Amino acid sequence: GENVEQHPSTLSVQEGDSAVIKCTYSDSASNYFPWYKQELGKGPQLIIDIRSNVGEKKDQRIAVTLNKTAKHFSLHITETQPEDSAVYFCAATIDTGGFKTIFGAGTRLFVKA
Amino acid sequence: ETGVTQTPRHLVMGMTNKKSLKCEQHLGHNAMYWYKQSAKKPLELMFVYNFKEQTENNSVPSRFSPECPNSSHLFLHLHTLQPEDSALYLCASSQVAQQTDTQYFGPGTRLTVL
Repeated sequence: GENVEQHPSTLSVQEGDSAVIKCTYSDSASNYFPWYKQELGKGPQLIIDIRSNVGEKKDQRIAVTLNKTAKHFSLHITETQPEDSAVYFCAATIDTGGFKTIFGAGTRLFVKA
Repeated sequence: ETGVTQTPRHLVMGMTNKKSLKCEQHLGHNAMYWYKQSAKKPLELMFVYNFKEQTENNSVPSRFSPECPNSSHLFLHLHTLQPEDSALYLCASSQVAQQTDTQYFGPGTRLTVL
């Protein structure tokens, strides 16, 4: 069935360094890829998304890249700050008339001051 | 906050109890969702409502019964649950139920089934 693999499960970086989280998906019909950030005690919050007709998208310190041929996409956070510490989830969605969203297992990011 | 509220925030129930989770959105959205977040599994979509009509049921056991009386309110009725149903239950809303619409999540209800 459909599957989204996310790596690493835990990532620790020094403040100011970059962080990269990678995801792969199995269903080639997936065409929308959102990324969520979840802080302790809160629900996930969309931080950036990318559609299948675009290879890269950037929003300030956050960027996402998509390689449809290889079926993988990545989140890049530059100049990390302690407030970036959270759990990050990737997802792949398929339009089936309705839609189906498959989430990755999450990456816990620690940014050390 | 996101404009999506959930009550209660924590719930402990026995396997024979009946309880309900409530979600309310103040964003004027027309689609609402229930998700299950377990410690050892990825976030799972359970149900989708679009303009009060259920459009998705991802093979959820019948001991979970959703109800959407209007576009602003969503309930999840629980009965005869199992310990493995213990999880964080998240509600979300979006303008309409389409894949590229941003979903806004509530803080969740932490459910423990004894």
